[in-house]
Amino acid sequence: AQSVAQPEDQVNVAEGNPLTVKCTYSVSGNPYLFWYVQYPNRGLQFLLKYITGDNLVKGSYGFEAEFNKSQTSFHLKKPSALVSDSALYFCAVTLARGDTGRRALTFGSGTRLQVQP
Amino acid sequence: DTGVSQNPRHKITKRGQNVTFRCDPISEHNRLYWYRQTLGQGPEFLTYFQNEAQLEKSRLLSDRFSAERPKGSFSTLEIQRTEQGDSAMYLCASSLSRGHSNQPQHFGDGTRLSIL
Repeated sequence: AQSVAQPEDQVNVAEGNPLTVKCTYSVSGNPYLFWYVQYPNRGLQFLLKYITGDNLVKGSYGFEAEFNKSQTSFHLKKPSALVSDSALYFCAVTLARGDTGRRALTFGSGTRLQVQP
Repeated sequence: DTGVSQNPRHKITKRGQNVTFRCDPISEHNRLYWYRQTLGQGPEFLTYFQNEAQLEKSRLLSDRFSAERPKGSFSTLEIQRTEQGDSAMYLCASSLSRGHSNQPQHFGDGTRLSIL
């Protein structure tokens, strides 16, 4: 079985400050990891993914995430937050291709990011 | 717009009625997924197709739920004899399976189902 934990229901940060949204995962095998963002009454938008290679991955809108295998974490970061970054963020995991198991994503429960002007 | 399209955006129906949702994936994508999202939760996997073959179904997909992708293009999700607990956002996603790279899933804006 695979699972994702997002320990913070909400993260508050002032505009211009760095932000971190935490994610830890559990999977039997090598993971593929993703971050998505959701705005009200909309579907999820892809931000970035970790497949293999460099542990620091860069994505859309200035976001980046660091894969840490020993801590089974994949925290989302941005050096300088914008008010427009306020949204719901989801971390997701699936098994790497070639491993047995589902191809569908398992999502965390989401973290609401609130950036104050 | 070449993204994933879902129709209708909203559906209100009485308990016990049948409902059907449609998803049109990105045209070259061979994988199609259905998820359900309830308020305050992340999406939960329901089922997925590779081309026209339904390769996996979640235990969440009771026998009142059925999904099809007859020609490997659009997909429909039908819920029979709807119950209050079926109220949720139903999300469709598609992706391209190519080589050894796990391409990201692209999501539609969902169909919000409300059961009266």
